[in-house]
Amino acid sequence: EPEVTQTPSHQVTQMGQEVILRCVPISNHLYFYWYRQILGQKVEFLVSFYNNEISEKSEIFDDQFSVERPDGSNFTLKIRSTKLEDSAMYFCASSERQQGVSEQYFGPGTRLTVT
Amino acid sequence: GENVEQHPSTLSVQEGDSAVIKCTYSDSASNYFPWYKQELGKRPQLIIDIRSNVGEKKDQRIAVTLNKTAKHFSLHITETQPEDSAVYFCAARDGYSSASKIIFGSGTRLSIRP
Repeated sequence: EPEVTQTPSHQVTQMGQEVILRCVPISNHLYFYWYRQILGQKVEFLVSFYNNEISEKSEIFDDQFSVERPDGSNFTLKIRSTKLEDSAMYFCASSERQQGVSEQYFGPGTRLTVT
Repeated sequence: GENVEQHPSTLSVQEGDSAVIKCTYSDSASNYFPWYKQELGKRPQLIIDIRSNVGEKKDQRIAVTLNKTAKHFSLHITETQPEDSAVYFCAARDGYSSASKIIFGSGTRLSIRP
């Protein structure tokens, strides 16, 4: 069964550094998402992406964040200048285009630790 | 926007007994209500979902109910087993579009006592 994959599984970075988290969505999916989960808390929506542009973003997704689909397979989340509070698990998800409701499939996550 | 409330935050049940987790949502436009199971350090896994045109859905030991009028939905696990121990999140999709975001509840940590 096809799965969403993410790399790296764990990223440690110093405050102020830039990080890029990578995701490979399921190949026939057209909608892509990033969520984050601070340790012990709920999963929070960051951004959705369709047709090479952002569909929606949350208040968390400020100017320090950006997303890109640089080629036909990768979907990336960049944090320009990391802060301590960016430490969290970041999940990528994708869904296929269809009438009505479509399930979002989550990747295994990247644990980001900002020191 | 949508807001999802979930309770209890922790739940401990004897193996073999039933567990019930309850959620409420705020936006009557929400039309899709998935439930996710998350084991420690792992991704959220969809275990069951319900659409707004259905009142109840069952899959083996798991059932979900939806009351659109009251904006309540619940997860029922019967004959609980040790492998059911995990954090469970209810969620609601905020909007009709396939691009719509999922709003998660705060989670219920379910522990099954042997």
